[in-house]
Amino acid sequence: IAGITQAPTSQILAAGRRMTLRCTQDMRHNAMYWYRQDLGLGLRLIHYSNTAGTTGKGEVPDGYSVSRANTDDFPLTLASAVPSQTSVYFCASSPGQGNSPLHFGNGTRLTVT
Amino acid sequence: QKEVEQNSGPLSVPEGAIASLNCTYSDRGSQSFFWYRQYSGKSPELIMFIYSNGDKEDGRFTAQLNKASQYVSLLIRDSQPSDSATYLCAVIQTGRRALTFGSGTRLQVQP
Repeated sequence: IAGITQAPTSQILAAGRRMTLRCTQDMRHNAMYWYRQDLGLGLRLIHYSNTAGTTGKGEVPDGYSVSRANTDDFPLTLASAVPSQTSVYFCASSPGQGNSPLHFGNGTRLTVT
Repeated sequence: QKEVEQNSGPLSVPEGAIASLNCTYSDRGSQSFFWYRQYSGKSPELIMFIYSNGDKEDGRFTAQLNKASQYVSLLIRDSQPSDSATYLCAVIQTGRRALTFGSGTRLQVQP
């Protein structure tokens, strides 16, 4: 079934540890995104990539990094996790920029203790 | 002022009624508008998108856009308990590369 796969589904992480959230899509979409969702704050954009080899910063990029080595994969790395990064993380993709709607993965629930 | 504003709710309507969900946005140059539905513990799923002023209908759902007043709304006719979810409004703002989301309105449809 075509779509976006995120891993892990959930994770408890000690503060200061490094963590990579994985995201893979098989729809050959050019654009990919990482959002975090917190109660009362909605979905906020962390980083995005318009096409393989390019990335950009979103609304809340501090403490996170991304890479886009190929079309399918868009991992999100927390270099040194802090409790404020406790959130639900959604990876999304779209065929292109502009008007294209987003397709979301199932999310990763991350708790930093 | 938030860039995309929604009343958090909950909005409670009886089964069979029309649910009206509203969203306002601050960037007058915004061009594309989306409504997503999110069940508790699940990922957002696209319901509708609208680009032009006026109404757009899809089954029980109607999106309404008024760019002069900077609001977009979603009407759900014949509301069902299965429509109970959080509804997210999203906008592509001028010069932005991705959707900006409101914080969502929680809808409860009472049987």
